[in-house]
Amino acid sequence: DIVMTQSPDSLAVSLGERATINCKSSQSVLYSSNNKNYLGWYQQKPGQPPKSLIYWASTRESGVPERFSGSGSGTDFTLTISSLQAEDVAVYYCQQYYSTPYTFGQGTKLEIK
Amino acid sequence: EVQLVESGGGLVQPGGSLRLSCAASGFTFSSYWMNWVRQAPGKGLEWVANIKQDGSEEHYVDSVKGRFTISRDNAKNSLYLQMNSLRAEDTAVYYCARGYRQSDSWGQGTLVTVSS
Repeated sequence: DIVMTQSPDSLAVSLGERATINCKSSQSVLYSSNNKNYLGWYQQKPGQPPKSLIYWASTRESGVPERFSGSGSGTDFTLTISSLQAEDVAVYYCQQYYSTPYTFGQGTKLEIK
Repeated sequence: EVQLVESGGGLVQPGGSLRLSCAASGFTFSSYWMNWVRQAPGKGLEWVANIKQDGSEEHYVDSVKGRFTISRDNAKNSLYLQMNSLRAEDTAVYYCARGYRQSDSWGQGTLVTVSS
């Protein structure tokens, strides 16, 4: 199974500042035939189901604010929130869908400083 | 609007069985792979299983293989998870989620508690 490791486990950022969450996979999730990274990001607010934010490592879902961006390739990925808003307080998860089981990272809790 | 509504959760004794259902609406259910994902209380997300559009292909996480069975009824726009030989560690909120790779839509979840 592919192991996904996120860092940090928790993060406190001031409003308007940048938040950066990292995700590392135990093996590459880059599919060479189509040059796509099989990696997505989700946001989960308390008491709610997860919400898909980013797919193919860097493509925003429709309706997701531009302040959210994804980057990286192979085994190392980053979710960046360029200017933190109060409504961004949540737990963020990465997930690989390169091979089953489609494993998630342990989650990163993002709070306001 | 895409809607996924799970049902069937509850309290069950260790070794017991439960069948979860997910009613889908707002999209062409038969065109999508579907997934079950679970979340133990206060813990992270764990992908459990998925099933192809026509039900001809299924995949499971090792911890549920041989105990859980995913199925679907495209005529009823419904997804199911039959859970047998339940263990305490299966206690979780179970989410139904749409998508072959990325899950772009999720239900609100149904809580399964395995306890004596």
